[in-house]
Amino acid sequence: DAGVTQSPTHLIKTRGQQVTLRCSPKSGHDTVSWYQQALGQGPQFIFQYYEEEERQRGNFPDRFSGHQFPNYSSELNVNALLLGDSALYLCASSLELTGPSPDGYTFGSGTRLTVV
Amino acid sequence: QQQVKQSPQSLIVQKGGISIINCAYENTAFDYFPWYQQFPGKGPALLIAIRPDVSEKKEGRFTISFNKSAKQFSLHIMDSQPGDSATYFCAASFNKGFQKLVFGTGTRLLVSP
Repeated sequence: DAGVTQSPTHLIKTRGQQVTLRCSPKSGHDTVSWYQQALGQGPQFIFQYYEEEERQRGNFPDRFSGHQFPNYSSELNVNALLLGDSALYLCASSLELTGPSPDGYTFGSGTRLTVV
Repeated sequence: QQQVKQSPQSLIVQKGGISIINCAYENTAFDYFPWYQQFPGKGPALLIAIRPDVSEKKEGRFTISFNKSAKQFSLHIMDSQPGDSATYFCAASFNKGFQKLVFGTGTRLLVSP
C-alpha cells in the first residue's frame, strides 16, 4: 500500500527562481494539505486542496500557490524564492469523509528545499 | 491564540526511564490534540491523540494527560527505549471546519542505552 509520495526528495534553487514540488496522496485519499517545516521548528500549514480547490490557507504570501489534479495529486509552487524559503515541505493526505479532524492524516517524507 | 507552546526543546532520558513532554495552548476552540513522532528524513507519524472530553489516554507505553482547565496536555513515554529517540511534536486542531494542524516547536528526545 503506497503511502504519500513526494518528489523530488531534495532540491537546490537560487534566490529569485521558481520551484514546483509534487505530491501523490495515499491510495483512497482525496484531500491534500501542504506544510512548511523550517529547521528545528514544527510544521506550519500552508494550504489545503479538496476537489481541485484551495479551501483553506495559512499565513503564507501569494508567492506560494498550488494545484490539485483530478487524480487528487497536487503541486506546490513557490515563486521568487527567498533564502527563508529553505525548509522541508511536507504533504499530508486524508479522506474528506473521515471528518474535519486530521486523525486520518498521512504525511509524506517531504521535499528538502535549499535556496542559495 | 493559534499557538501551541511545547517544552522542553530537548530531553535526554536513560533507557527504561520516563520521558515527559509538555504542551500548552490558548485557543479554547481547539478540540483535538495529537502527538506526532518524526525520525530524521521522514515525515511526522501520528503516535496518539486525545479529545478534551477525557483526561487521559493510554496506548501501550504512550500516555497523554489532558488538563482542560489549565489548557495543557503532556506526553508520557514509559520504559523509554533507544528506538524512541526522535523528535516529538504536539499539535492541536479544530473539530469543526477543515483538517488543519497547529504544531508545537518540537522536542528532540534522546534515550541513552
